[in-house]
Amino acid sequence: GESVGLHLPTLSVQEGDNSIINCAYSNSASDYFIWYKQESGKGPQFIIDIRSNMDKRQGQRVTVLLNKTVKHLSLQIAATQPGDSAVYFCAENANSGYALNFGKGTSLLVTP
Amino acid sequence: GAVVSQHPSWVICKSGTSVKIECRSLDFQATTMFWYRQFPKQSLMLMATSNEGSKATYEQGVEKDKFLINHASLTLSTLTVTSAHPEDSSFYICSAGLGGETYEQYFGPGTRLTVT
Repeated sequence: GESVGLHLPTLSVQEGDNSIINCAYSNSASDYFIWYKQESGKGPQFIIDIRSNMDKRQGQRVTVLLNKTVKHLSLQIAATQPGDSAVYFCAENANSGYALNFGKGTSLLVTP
Repeated sequence: GAVVSQHPSWVICKSGTSVKIECRSLDFQATTMFWYRQFPKQSLMLMATSNEGSKATYEQGVEKDKFLINHASLTLSTLTVTSAHPEDSSFYICSAGLGGETYEQYFGPGTRLTVT
């Protein structure tokens, strides 16, 4: 079936560098995408979202880019900090209702 | 705002017993709540969508008689794992939707279930 997936399962960056986490989706009907951060043993925490009528959205230190042509979503974190170390999931709206389908996740490790 | 709590945060039970997990929206009313399970180093898998005052909608492959969901009020949904088995051991996470024409969901901290 259609699903959301990620290109890189793990990503290691140095503190202060910028991080880019990628996500590919296959459901061309999806019109809402979200990035979540999950720390070990905790629930997901909302980072940023974007609707399909946009191709870029910025938050505090984070930017989400959406390329509908190639069905690609990315999360950019500026000046990555140790506290950014976590697993990051992209999610898209499911086919029905307001449920979400989650991608596989990327583990981000920030080294000093 | 938009805080969701879960209780208990962790539970250990014996095979064959039932366990109830509560999900509460603390500062908003949630018409819809969602239940997910997550195995170690894996993603969240949607189990069911819980609507206040009506029956839950289960995802394909999720046994509704084993995972009983009740959404009796706008701030509380419960998931009961009946006749638990070791393979039911997992991290169960709920989320609450803000309602209206929005996909925004706020997640609880999760409940770690271990069945021995």
